Amino acid sequence: DAGITQSPRHKVTETGTPVTLRCHQTENHRYMYWYRQDPGHGLRLIHYSYGVKDTDKGEVSDGYSVSRSKTEDFLLTLESATSSQTSVYFCAISESGGGAFYGYTFGSGTRLTVV
Amino acid sequence: SQQGEEDPQALSIQEGENATMNCSYKTSINNLQWYRQNSGRGLVHLILIRSNEREKHSGRLRVTLDTSKKSSSLLITASRAADTASYFCATGNAGNMLTFGGGTRLMVKP
Repeated sequence: DAGITQSPRHKVTETGTPVTLRCHQTENHRYMYWYRQDPGHGLRLIHYSYGVKDTDKGEVSDGYSVSRSKTEDFLLTLESATSSQTSVYFCAISESGGGAFYGYTFGSGTRLTVV
Repeated sequence: SQQGEEDPQALSIQEGENATMNCSYKTSINNLQWYRQNSGRGLVHLILIRSNEREKHSGRLRVTLDTSKKSSSLLITASRAADTASYFCATGNAGNMLTFGGGTRLMVKP
């Protein structure tokens, strides 16, 4: 999607290893979000950021940490990957909190498999 | 937990027919949004309706919102095979995040 890219697109990792997913935007939006998508659960918020170095937890934050040292980058780290973290991870950006005026723009997703 | 719940979970129609999807939510909102997701892709924002609005149109899309019933509907008129996708409602409140429902899988048969 224009203005937002996620990397890597696919990753297979072993249980117990740390993994970092990257979200990069060129839109200069203040808000950035990490969601995971699983069958039967829809999209669930992991963490979000409302500015550089300003982050907050979402619904399913256990086992995840985030960092935002620059406006354009929002990193999601799985500290010690577990099989329950096998999922598709989406990053989203927004000009306003909760996408209140223009909605969210989503990245194409990262498919993570923990074996 | 999901704030929005879509109904039905899956819908199959013929090209040219109308498709209606419903979303119910539990707590007060200040806006409700609908997104489309094609298989293997990210979500795409379709339309946003504010809590003080009752109906909104965008092309072949019509969204209604009934805050007294805490429900919304998305109508796609004259559906096309290209409309085949999953559709999600998302609710926003005074906070900084959206809460998404589980989605409706729409299949439009040519």
